[in-house]
Amino acid sequence: KAGVTQTPRYLIKTRGQQVTLSCSPISGHRSVSWYQQTPGQGLQFLFEYFSETQRNKGNFPGRFSGRQFSNSRSEMNVSTLELGDSALYLCASSTGEGNEQFFGPGTRLTVL
Amino acid sequence: QKEVEQDPGPLSVPEGAIVSLNCTYSNSAFQYFMWYRQYSRKGPELLMYTYSSGNKEDGRFTAQVDKSSKYISLFIRDSQPSDSATYLCAMSAYFKGAQKLVFGQGTRLTINP
Repeated sequence: KAGVTQTPRYLIKTRGQQVTLSCSPISGHRSVSWYQQTPGQGLQFLFEYFSETQRNKGNFPGRFSGRQFSNSRSEMNVSTLELGDSALYLCASSTGEGNEQFFGPGTRLTVL
Repeated sequence: QKEVEQDPGPLSVPEGAIVSLNCTYSNSAFQYFMWYRQYSRKGPELLMYTYSSGNKEDGRFTAQVDKSSKYISLFIRDSQPSDSATYLCAMSAYFKGAQKLVFGQGTRLTINP
């Protein structure tokens, strides 16, 4: 069974640009959650999508947005990038009805 | 005060030692408790998953939950260099119909051969 895949794995952008990250969950999983991981703040929850609807949201500014498609694949968008957005962005998939989440390898975003 | 507190370490122990990793939490609504292991440049990997207070064992790993003290632990017996990683505790509760999963800061562990 294939795991969670994320693309791209690495990304370098400059301040003010926007970026789109992609996540393909485990087959059959309907929930995708996004997290930001930094050395100072650890893993912070961004949002969760379940059956194409945002079901839960963390405390991030509106520059961070996401969506989920009918095949459960999800994208996350960050607009007007700031230096502080440099982080490892992780997505996690689950059935949506339990508590076990399975993480992808992450996308490492560097903002210059 | 953070909802979940975890000592970030780093923690360095010799091979074969027993390792104890701990987290405390403040929200009594948390019902499910997990430990994740994260190797460098990889995503977190689910290691242990528990629901009730008590112990759960899986090979060299034992997860312990004490809900009355709001304290969870992960013990690693006969530690190996391959156990060197960052260990994150996580706990969840349902909030407004959706699962809320909160992670600890993570403890960076090194097992020295």
